[in-house]
Amino acid sequence: KQEVTQIPAALSVPEGENLVLNCSFTDSAIYNLQWFRQDPGKGLTSLLLIQSSQREQTSGRLNASLDKSSGRSTLYIAASQPGDSATYLCAQGGYGQNFVFGPGTRLSVLP
Amino acid sequence: DTGVSQDPRHKITKRGQNVTFRCDPISEHNRLYWYRQTLGQGPEFLTYFQNEAQLEKSRLLSDRFSAERPKGSFSTLEIQRTEQGDSAMYLCASSLGRDNNQPQHFGDGTRLSIL
Repeated sequence: KQEVTQIPAALSVPEGENLVLNCSFTDSAIYNLQWFRQDPGKGLTSLLLIQSSQREQTSGRLNASLDKSSGRSTLYIAASQPGDSATYLCAQGGYGQNFVFGPGTRLSVLP
Repeated sequence: DTGVSQDPRHKITKRGQNVTFRCDPISEHNRLYWYRQTLGQGPEFLTYFQNEAQLEKSRLLSDRFSAERPKGSFSTLEIQRTEQGDSAMYLCASSLGRDNNQPQHFGDGTRLSIL
């Protein structure tokens, strides 16, 4: 059974700090891994998608890496801002048609 | 920006009633997904359409749940004889392509509360 976990469950940092969010998955037959952001009461916004043939993807202050051998992905956020406060979720895409989501990391960036 | 839209945003109903939710995907997207999300958890996959064909259903989708996507455009999710455990946020997502290797775009969801 596919399972995705995220550590930590919650994180609070001062503005300007660089931070790393962690995602672990158990299914080695990974097709891709996607990182999302979710604001309270809202849907999910796609941040980065890493295909299984890739090692990392970058968008602005965000960098996501994928290590299939260890079953881990990380999301690096540089120079964090209060507007980055949200829940960050990772989702593993298998060779089926669905994604399996982790429970998320709730991030608070304090001004 | 015509993203994924869902209607209604909130639905409160009594146990045992039927409810129907609607999802309008991004117009050119051929793939449509339904998920359920409870507080503090990530979304759980319910079902998936490619155009008008429902190609995959989760075992979470009991026989009280039915989804349709007539003509491969909007989709509806119906829950019959609602139960307390059905209370959740129901999310719809769409994407473009032949497989799930493209980013999914989500609507803001329908929050269902069962009294």
